[in-house]
Amino acid sequence: DAKTTQPNSMESNEEEPVHLPCNHSTISGTDYIHWYRQLPSQGPEYVIHGLTSNVNNRMASLAIAEDRKSSTLILHRATLRDAAVYYCILRDVTGNTGKLIFGQGTTLQVKP
Amino acid sequence: NAGVTQTPKFQVLKTGQSMTLQCAQDMNHEYMSWYRQDPGMGLRLIHYSVGAGITDQGEVPNGYNVSRSTTEDFPLRLLSAAPSQTSVYFCASSPGGRDGTYEQYFGPGTRLTVT
Repeated sequence: DAKTTQPNSMESNEEEPVHLPCNHSTISGTDYIHWYRQLPSQGPEYVIHGLTSNVNNRMASLAIAEDRKSSTLILHRATLRDAAVYYCILRDVTGNTGKLIFGQGTTLQVKP
Repeated sequence: NAGVTQTPKFQVLKTGQSMTLQCAQDMNHEYMSWYRQDPGMGLRLIHYSVGAGITDQGEVPNGYNVSRSTTEDFPLRLLSAAPSQTSVYFCASSPGGRDGTYEQYFGPGTRLTVT
């Protein structure tokens, strides 16, 4: 699986937008970009995924660069509940075996 | 649906003891996997299964055994516990198919301490 690079930590104020970056310069054409987050003392939960086009769901938006070498997870209005570790993960569409390879992720702190 | 359930929530073992961590899912998912998470680290894959009767090793399989006799259950066995196995263990499941779009569902975790 190709590697991703994320900042170790970020801070945000409550009710402000948050942009969490992810670099994946070795991404292949068959890799989907997935984001998961892990709230304190809980298991990871799925946030969003995309291939080439930007994606929106009820939790967040995913902006993917035109060359696909980077992406950004956007939380439109951060709440205290969004404080978590956010993981950017690449999934090969041709090699599905139920595996996820986690990196260190970005720890997001949300200040009231 | 209960989703992915894990038991026990907490466990303390002495070095050399054996035990089984239980994992069950009621979503009829083909794929199941086990991860461990050490303090301040991301999750690392221990073992995974793509269907009943089929298992394979992940990144850190040593000291652990798995079996998958049913679609619903995927127990993780520690053969002879060591302090290095102190960690939080997460079980996950996901639909099958050769498609990288599906999401994984994680259980709440088992916090294991080996003294």
